[in-house]
Amino acid sequence: NAGVMQNPRHLVRRRGQEARLRCSPMKGHSHVYWYRQLPEEGLKFMVYLQKENIIDESGMPKERFSAEFPKEGPSILRIQQVVRGDSAAYFCASSPPSVKNIQYFGAGTRLSVL
Amino acid sequence: AQSVSQHNHHVILSEAASLELGCNYSYGGTVNLFWYVQYPGQHLQLLLKYFSGDPLVKGIKGFEAEFIKSKFSFNLRKPSVQWSDTAEYFCAVQGGGADGLTFGKGTHLIIQP
Repeated sequence: NAGVMQNPRHLVRRRGQEARLRCSPMKGHSHVYWYRQLPEEGLKFMVYLQKENIIDESGMPKERFSAEFPKEGPSILRIQQVVRGDSAAYFCASSPPSVKNIQYFGAGTRLSVL
Repeated sequence: AQSVSQHNHHVILSEAASLELGCNYSYGGTVNLFWYVQYPGQHLQLLLKYFSGDPLVKGIKGFEAEFIKSKFSFNLRKPSVQWSDTAEYFCAVQGGGADGLTFGKGTHLIIQP
């Protein structure tokens, strides 16, 4: 059973470009969470999604950031018009519907904005 | 808002030494508590968790943690560390009906052979 898969592992963007980060949850998991880790900081919750629904986006910046988890395919975290402050590691976690309190993490995507 | 405080950002120990990493949280209601570990170059892995019941919980690789409600603490312990325990350790809290976890800043543990 493959774990949570995130790609790309590393992403370099210039200021103003768009970044798209992908997350495939573990097989059988229908809940996805996105976290951001800034240098020397802990992980910060961004958004919680179920298939085709955003359940909690209380940690998402109000502008430029969006997330989706379509019926088919991976969850996508999209950052428009990236700025240097968006440089961080972005982690995805998934959980099964029956035990949604246990979250399994992917290896993360490290975004660097030049 | 919840917050999690990990007291030690860097800890260096020799093999066979005993380990205790501190974790305090600020939320006053019912909480779920977690310790995750991130080995160099790898993803976060769950070490142990507390939802309810016995406040002393045992996890993988000989780790254990004790939930002390009156102190809002969930300290991680291991009686005898190994070189392979070198990693980043994160304490996390989930409470107040929130689904997301609130993490501490992490403790970087280095075990010297």
